Amino acid sequence: GAGVSQTPSNKVTEKGKYVELRCDPISGHTALYWYRQSLGQGPEFLIYFQGTGAADDSGLPNDRFFAVRPEGSVSTLKIQRTERGDSAVYLCASSPQPGAVETQYFGPGTRLLVL
Amino acid sequence: GEDVEQSLFLSVREGDSSVINCTYTDSSSTYLYWYKQEPGAGLQLLTYIFSNMDMKQDQRLTVLLNKKDKHLSLRIADTQTGDSAIYFCAERRNNAGNMLTFGGGTRLMVKP
Repeated sequence: GAGVSQTPSNKVTEKGKYVELRCDPISGHTALYWYRQSLGQGPEFLIYFQGTGAADDSGLPNDRFFAVRPEGSVSTLKIQRTERGDSAVYLCASSPQPGAVETQYFGPGTRLLVL
Repeated sequence: GEDVEQSLFLSVREGDSSVINCTYTDSSSTYLYWYKQEPGAGLQLLTYIFSNMDMKQDQRLTVLLNKKDKHLSLRIADTQTGDSAIYFCAERRNNAGNMLTFGGGTRLMVKP
């Protein structure tokens, strides 16, 4: 596609439920990132994939959060036992190669609301 | 808390220049970026600067970097109502892979 796409655009769930958020990076981009943006704040790094492997998952807040990228393209961010504090916009970004100067191209985000 | 800090809000009149400021803490940062976020839209990369530069100009945008003070600014000349948005500065640290660390964002309001 022309840009990074994310689905769903909005997700409302109840506390304790499981959610999956999907990211389709720009074709050919090997690096993929997940960020979380809480209301009124800047994005915070969660996890970075280079190809299929998670090169840096230091930003994941706890073990309820997990992400995969099995074929080195589409990635899924999974959140178990959701809590109200997980409500945020989850942003995905991709870049053509590690260290690319033009850095990361962001998708529109998935707005998650946990009731 | 964030290691990259920005003022929360800036209001200017159409046609004036806007200056958005940012301070960062990590002297090992290699690249510094400015992103724009409009309501309901994703982050749009506006410009970036290498840490060994002190100025970069791109059409109406001028980025100034003071490494000694760890201060970054974005100047928008002839500000238009379409420039109203939230502006984020971000740093990429030399020892932190490719992740970006963002400031909290500055909301720019342009009055006609």
